[in-house]
Amino acid sequence: NAGVTQTPKFQVLKTGQSMTLQCAQDMNHNSMYWYRQDPGMGLRLIYYSASEGTTDKGEVPNGYNVSRLNKREFSLRLESAAPSQTSVYFCASRRLAGGDNEQFFGPGTRLTVL
Amino acid sequence: SQQGEEDPQALSIQEGENATMNCSYKTSINNLQWYRQNSGRGLVHLILIRSNEREKHSGRLRVTLDTSKKSSSLLITASRAADTASYFCATDNTGGFKTIFGAGTRLFVKA
Repeated sequence: NAGVTQTPKFQVLKTGQSMTLQCAQDMNHNSMYWYRQDPGMGLRLIYYSASEGTTDKGEVPNGYNVSRLNKREFSLRLESAAPSQTSVYFCASRRLAGGDNEQFFGPGTRLTVL
Repeated sequence: SQQGEEDPQALSIQEGENATMNCSYKTSINNLQWYRQNSGRGLVHLILIRSNEREKHSGRLRVTLDTSKKSSSLLITASRAADTASYFCATDNTGGFKTIFGAGTRLFVKA
């Protein structure tokens, strides 16, 4: 099992450009999450999908959109990138949202917006 | 706003010593989780403690939870240089699906 995979690993954008970060999991998990991590800080929740077909805002959703394409895949889109969105983005999945089970994380995407 | 707040922000110890990290949170929780992050990598789950549990062990890890004080501690015994990493607490709030992470404690274990 590959676990949680993310593409790309690195990306440099210019202000105003758009891009989509891809995430896939092969553990048959119901719930998926997108976080961002800024230097020296913890993770902040951007969006999450408690189950296939649902998405909800987290702590910092502005400037982002998500799509739960199917049970395996959850993508994050930046429509018009801004320097404030320079960060490391992590995708995670868990078997059941709200249950006593842990999250599994991908390796992250390092995004720089110039 | 962040739910969990870790203390200390950074900790430097010698190999063989114990490391204790604390986490405080603000609202009612279903459970509290601890994760580890090596530099430049994703987070790895260490241990989960339910709201009705007070203490849990896993290998060299010991976690306590005091819901009356809304706090938890993670103890790593007999630390090793390979334990050098950042450690985060995370909470699942009661009635919700969000997991909120703290800012983390950076642990440095000197060989």
